[in-house]
Amino acid sequence: GAVVSQHPSWVICKSGTSVKIECRSLDFQATTMFWYRQFPKQSLMLMATSNEGSKATYEQGVEKDKFLINHASLTLSTLTVTSAHPEDSSFYICSARAGRGGRNNEQFFGPGTRLTVL
Amino acid sequence: RKEVEQDPGPFNVPEGATVAFNCTYSNSASQSFFWYRQDCRKEPKLLMSVYSSGNEDGRFTAQLNRASQYISLLIRDSKLSDSATYLCVAPKGAGGGNKLTFGTGTQLKVEL
Repeated sequence: GAVVSQHPSWVICKSGTSVKIECRSLDFQATTMFWYRQFPKQSLMLMATSNEGSKATYEQGVEKDKFLINHASLTLSTLTVTSAHPEDSSFYICSARAGRGGRNNEQFFGPGTRLTVL
Repeated sequence: RKEVEQDPGPFNVPEGATVAFNCTYSNSASQSFFWYRQDCRKEPKLLMSVYSSGNEDGRFTAQLNRASQYISLLIRDSKLSDSATYLCVAPKGAGGGNKLTFGTGTQLKVEL
């Protein structure tokens, strides 16, 4: 299957700093990438949808100024958590979809980034 | 009603047992569904897509009941390596589209 990488795998930072997470599709072009967040023992929650060359679409309750998303190319999307606070500590997972929708909505997931804010 | 609902478990079963999970969804217009598997502290991985009336892949069978709006996952001859959390996934929002909504997952523990 398609491969999606994510860096860094984990990061520990101080409160108030900004953290950038990269998501790359390695062997396919991803027209759409998604960013999820998962707290312990909870489900994945979609944060935003990122389309190459356009602004990201954020889900209700997700602050776009705090979670900056850039999808500069068909193989790279970045999520920047600005002014991180301990409550932002979570498992951030990206996924990528190759096609243009239709019946097959299969998304390929990156390995995730575990963020801990002290 | 939640978009996707699952029994969180955990389900503890002996090796070799057959176990089934159910998942209900709220959007009657949804066309395609998925079962993902997630190991502890790892990303979800696609286990099966579920289309029309269901499909089978080795020891795994997924079924879809549109009238009752639920899908199920059956695992036969369970292995220790099947221990994981199984996520039920449906299209998010009205009319389907590209987004997915995940259930909270059903935890399975297969024991000797």
